[in-house]
This record gives sequence, C-alpha cells and structure tokens, in this order.
Amino acid sequence: EPEVTQTPSHQVTQMGQEVILRCVPISNHLYFYWYRQILGQKVEFLVSFYNNEISEKSEIFDDQFSVERPDGSNFTLKIRSTKLEDSAMYFCASSGGRGGYGYTFGSGTRLTVV
Amino acid sequence: GQQLNQSPQSMFIQEGEDVSMNCTSSSIFNTWLWYKQDPGEGPVLLIALYKAGELTSNGRLTAQFGITRKDSFLNISASIPSDVGIYFCAGRFERSNFGNEKLTFGTGTRLTIIP
Repeated sequence: EPEVTQTPSHQVTQMGQEVILRCVPISNHLYFYWYRQILGQKVEFLVSFYNNEISEKSEIFDDQFSVERPDGSNFTLKIRSTKLEDSAMYFCASSGGRGGYGYTFGSGTRLTVV
Repeated sequence: GQQLNQSPQSMFIQEGEDVSMNCTSSSIFNTWLWYKQDPGEGPVLLIALYKAGELTSNGRLTAQFGITRKDSFLNISASIPSDVGIYFCAGRFERSNFGNEKLTFGTGTRLTIIP
C-alpha cells in the first residue's frame, strides 16, 4: 500500500537553529499538507500546497515557516529559527483530491527544541 | 476558528464491550472522517462520511454523519486489544472541485482496554 514517508523520525535541535523536515508524498498525489501535534493535544493544520504554491495556511504558519517542493518527489517544511514551543510531532500528508480516502498521513517527525 | 469537541475524553472498558464516542462542531462540514492514532504514529483513516445522515460500517466500526452536519458518532463493537489508541474525528468543508481543503481535527478520545 502506498505510503507517505517522513525523515527524520526524530530531530533534536537547539533553540534558534533552522530545521528542515522532509516528506515524500504518494507519487500520484497532487496536494500536500503539513500538520503538527503538540504532545497530548489534537492535530492542527499548518499549510496546504498545490501546483507549487501555498493554497492555505493557518495562523500558526508564520514567517518562520516555509514549504518547498524542491524536486518531483520531496516536500519540505523549514522552520527558520526554532523556538521551544515548536516542539511537536509534525505530520506530512498527501491527497489525490476529493474525499477523505486518499488523504494519507506519514508517521511523523518528532521535533524537540532544547 | 472551527472547533470540534469530542466526548468522552477517555474511556476505560473491558475487552468485548461496545464503545461509543461522538464529535460536535461549532460549524458545518460536508465530510466527516474518523482516524485512529497509535503512539508515535500518524493518524490512520478508519471511516469517511460524505452525506448528512449517512451511516457507514467498516468491520466492527460504524459511523454516522449527523443530519445537522455538525456532529458525528463512531461505534466500535466487541472491542479487542488492538482497538487501544486515540480516536480523532476530523471535518472537512470542500468548497472546490479539487478537494484539497484542510482537515479540522477533534480533541480526541483515548481508548484503554482493561485486562
């Protein structure tokens, strides 16, 4: 069964450092997303991406965040200068279009900012 | 913003019991989804609902899309140990033909099975 792959599974970084979280969406999907989940809380939408541009972003997705699809397979989330409150699980997802089926999440990257 | 409240927050049941959880929203959705999350993993889709009033089953799981489009419930019959985890509802309001709108997740229901 097709999977969304995320790397690394766990990243520890110092406050103020830049991090890049990587995702390989399902190959024939066109829509890509990042969500985050602070420990013990619900999953929150960050950004959606289609046709090489951001479709929608939440208020969490401020100027410190950026997304990119640098080649035909990777989709990245960059946090420019990490803060302690950025510590969370970050999930990438991709979808082929309408409906819930085909909206697949990766296993996540646990980001710990120290 | 949109809020999805799930109840109960947690459940402690014995193996073999039936489980019921629900989700209510402050605004309408035209798609309701139920996900299960295991520790350290991403959400895995269980059931998707697309029409108000729709009742859908997937094995021991049954979910319904409320008529008001502001609520949904999930039932699990005859629970087994692998049902342990956190269950999230999620709503989606599809405005376009593309279907790439965000999901709004509920607050989660943690299911624990007592031996």
